[in-house]
Amino acid sequence: DQQVKQNSPSLSVQEGRISILNCDYTNSMFDYFLWYKKYPAEGPTFLISISSIKDKNEDGRFTVFLNKSAKHLSLHIVPSQPGDSAVYFCAASASGYSTLTFGKGTMLLVSP
Amino acid sequence: KAGVTQTPRYLIKTRGQQVTLSCSPISGHRSVSWYQQTPGQGLQFLFEYFSETQRNKGNFPGRFSGRQFSNSRSEMNVSTLELGDSALYLCASSLVGTGSGEQFFGPGTRLTVL
Repeated sequence: DQQVKQNSPSLSVQEGRISILNCDYTNSMFDYFLWYKKYPAEGPTFLISISSIKDKNEDGRFTVFLNKSAKHLSLHIVPSQPGDSAVYFCAASASGYSTLTFGKGTMLLVSP
Repeated sequence: KAGVTQTPRYLIKTRGQQVTLSCSPISGHRSVSWYQQTPGQGLQFLFEYFSETQRNKGNFPGRFSGRQFSNSRSEMNVSTLELGDSALYLCASSLVGTGSGEQFFGPGTRLTVL
C-alpha cells in the first residue's frame, strides 16, 4: 500500500514556464513533507519542506503548497530552468518518527 | 563539512553471495537510515539506526541487516543475494533523527547481482 503517491512519472516543461509537481498521501499521521531532487549517479538532495501547520512555503523559485484536507501537496518551480531537469521525490514523515516515506518520483525535463 | 560518504560506489556480486556496504554520516549526525532504490519503486526504507540501536525497520526480509558503530558509521549487510536485490542503496544521515528534520543522502552504492 503506497502511502505517498506521485502519479505523474514524467513532466516536460519549456524553459521559463512554471513546473508543477504533484504528490498525494494517505497516512493522516504525516505532518512533515519534503521534496528532494535527484540527478543520475547522485544521492537525493533536499530542496524544500513544509510542516502541516503551514499551507505554503517559499524558497526562491520553489514553492510548496499543502492542502491537508485533500492530503495533497504540490511543488511549483517558477521560472523553470534546464538545470532543474532531474527526478523529484516527494517524502513524508510523522512526528516522533525519523523515517521518510517516499513517492516513486517524477522526472522533470525542462527544455530550452 | 564533509558530506555523507558511501563505499564502495559500485559492486558486482553473484546470486547466493553476501555483501557489506558502508556509510559514514556527516560529522555530528547520530541517525543513519538506509534506503533501496529500484526502477519504478522509488526509495524504500530499509532501517534506521540511532546511537548504535536500530530504531525503525522497513518491510524487508531478514537477509537485510545493519549495524551502527560508536562513531555513528553504519554498515548494512545482505546475505544470500538474489537477482532482485540489484539496486541503488542509499544511506542518509540526520542530526537528531526526528521526523521534522531533513536527511542528507550519500551518493549511493550501485549493487548488481548476476
